[in-house]
Amino acid sequence: GAGVSQTPSNKVTEKGKYVELRCDPISGHTALYWYRQSLGQGPEFLIYFQGTGAADDSGLPNDRFFAVRPEGSVSTLKIQRTERGDSAVYLCASSLAAADTQYFGPGTRLTVL
Amino acid sequence: AQSVSQHNHHVILSEAASLELGCNYSYGGTVNLFWYVQYPGQHLQLLLKYFSGDPLVKGIKGFEAEFIKSKFSFNLRKPSVQWSDTAEYFCAVKAGGFKTIFGAGTRLFVKA
Repeated sequence: GAGVSQTPSNKVTEKGKYVELRCDPISGHTALYWYRQSLGQGPEFLIYFQGTGAADDSGLPNDRFFAVRPEGSVSTLKIQRTERGDSAVYLCASSLAAADTQYFGPGTRLTVL
Repeated sequence: AQSVSQHNHHVILSEAASLELGCNYSYGGTVNLFWYVQYPGQHLQLLLKYFSGDPLVKGIKGFEAEFIKSKFSFNLRKPSVQWSDTAEYFCAVKAGGFKTIFGAGTRLFVKA
């Protein structure tokens, strides 16, 4: 079956702009995670959804970052007033339930000029 | 704060050599432990995981890892590496919640 998909695969934007990154999890997976991976680092947890609700958003770096999952499937990560330091690969993962194996998507490479 | 430390950032081995990648974590309670691998041009995928039971865990492609609670370690091993094992390997810990903490990764290059 289809894996986790993320769009766009690459996004280049200018400092100060707003961006949206989309994640389509594996069908039936109730748990969804967003991570950020900077060059030379491992993935850094941002937020976890169980169904439609954000069960843990403690990893969001500041209030410029926001994520939604209105119908418990597709999720969108929204970044306002982008800064050059936001440049990274944003990864999405989903799992059947919180304790299960996470399946990762290919990521969206965000570059803020 | 919880953290995961991977001792080597880059490892170069010849084919058939044995592999051991170190991983230590800081958390005193119950943990779930993982090793993920990212092959060139591919997604992160799970190699193996430890939740409970036998501390020696076997994963895909001949990899295994040993959980040593007293040392807060979860080292990855493979007796004989192949060129196709060239990849980046990440140790990760989930402790007391939903958050998974990843190490910085180890890039393995296997010379044919």
